[in-house]
Amino acid sequence: AQTVTQSQPEMSVQEAETVTLSCTYDTSESDYYLFWYKQPPSRQMILVIRQEAYKQQNATENRFSVNFQKAAKSFSLKISDSQLGDAAMYFCAYRSADRDDKIIFGKGTRLHILP
Amino acid sequence: EAGVTQFPSHSVIEKGQTVTLRCDPISGHDNLYWYRRVMGKEIKFLLHFVKESKQDESGMPNNRFLAERTGGTYSTLKVQPAELEDSGVYFCASSQVELALYNEQFFGPGTRLTVL
Repeated sequence: AQTVTQSQPEMSVQEAETVTLSCTYDTSESDYYLFWYKQPPSRQMILVIRQEAYKQQNATENRFSVNFQKAAKSFSLKISDSQLGDAAMYFCAYRSADRDDKIIFGKGTRLHILP
Repeated sequence: EAGVTQFPSHSVIEKGQTVTLRCDPISGHDNLYWYRRVMGKEIKFLLHFVKESKQDESGMPNNRFLAERTGGTYSTLKVQPAELEDSGVYFCASSQVELALYNEQFFGPGTRLTVL
């Protein structure tokens, strides 16, 4: 069975600084998707970034980028120029390549932005 | 376009009572998923509907949980009778059924259930 592990329950970063959230996963599949979701306090969970396992190039979305190391089964999220609105719970997640399959989540990392 | 909506946003019930959670997916989304996050733990999959049919219910914890999706539109998740360990946040998500390689799941805000 696939698992996702986030070892940092909470992190803090100064506004405008860069922070990296860690995630490792375990799977025997060769084709899959990895995600980072953001859930701000009392708000809906939204997709921040997606990585297809067959792509070697790391995904980037504006200030958000990932470091995908397939052999090491590592998938970290880097947030550059942190803003107050980035404060949220961040979930690392996995989904097999079956387009309608369930998502498997990590426990989450709560990110605090210090003004 | 309206997103996934869930009702109620919060529910506090006594152990042994019944609670029904509702999820309205995005219009046109035939895939509907239920997930649950118990305090301090991972968000875990409960089940997956395609239209009104249960595609995968491998995550349902026990027979106190009953999910329905009559007519293939909104879905309900009933817990009867509720136990203390059922407390948590219940999320609903929906996605289209397409031939694309990837169909994004859109999440609702969740229902926070507290069983006393």
